[in-house]
Amino acid sequence: NAGVTQTPKFQVLKTGQSMTLQCAQDMNHEYMSWYRQDPGMGLRLIHYSVGAGITDQGEVPNGYNVSRSTTEDFPLRLLSAAPSQTSVYFCASRAPARLASTDTQYFGPGTRLTVL
Amino acid sequence: KNQVEQSPQSLIILEGKNCTLQCNYTVSPFSNLRWYKQDTGRGPVSLTIMTFSENTKSNGRYTATLDADTKQSSLHITASQLSDSASYICVPSGAGSYQLTFGKGTKLSVIP
Repeated sequence: NAGVTQTPKFQVLKTGQSMTLQCAQDMNHEYMSWYRQDPGMGLRLIHYSVGAGITDQGEVPNGYNVSRSTTEDFPLRLLSAAPSQTSVYFCASRAPARLASTDTQYFGPGTRLTVL
Repeated sequence: KNQVEQSPQSLIILEGKNCTLQCNYTVSPFSNLRWYKQDTGRGPVSLTIMTFSENTKSNGRYTATLDADTKQSSLHITASQLSDSASYICVPSGAGSYQLTFGKGTKLSVIP
């Protein structure tokens, strides 16, 4: 199993450009999520999905869109990049989508995004 | 608002020594608490997960404790190794939300 994979590893954008961060998992996990990690702060939830076709907003959703057409993939779209979106982005997944699950959550290696 | 405070912010210890990292949280209603290890430039990796009814859980040289009454947890690392150098993140989870509250982490440096 490859686990959770993310592409690209690094990306530089200009303000106003759009792009999609890719995330895939091969563990047949129901629950997938996107986080951003900024210096001096804990990881913050952007969007999450409890299954194909179902997505919801997290703590910091503004400026980001997601979709979940398959169990495996959960792309994150930046519609019009802003310098405030400079961050490291992590995708994560776990098996059951139920609330208060104690199953292990697996993280991808991250995408380091810089917006100029 | 759910909050997590970890202490110390950073810690330097000699290889072979033990250390304890602290976590205080205000998540309510509380469901479970996770500790993650994050190496520089990599994604977090799960170390332990404890429910509100568990007091302690071990994973090799890592032992986590939980006091749900005082809303405190600790992570004890025994006989530290150079590879333990990383950030350790405390993540309490509420019973009614998918949203996890991540602590800022404790940055541990193990030196020879």
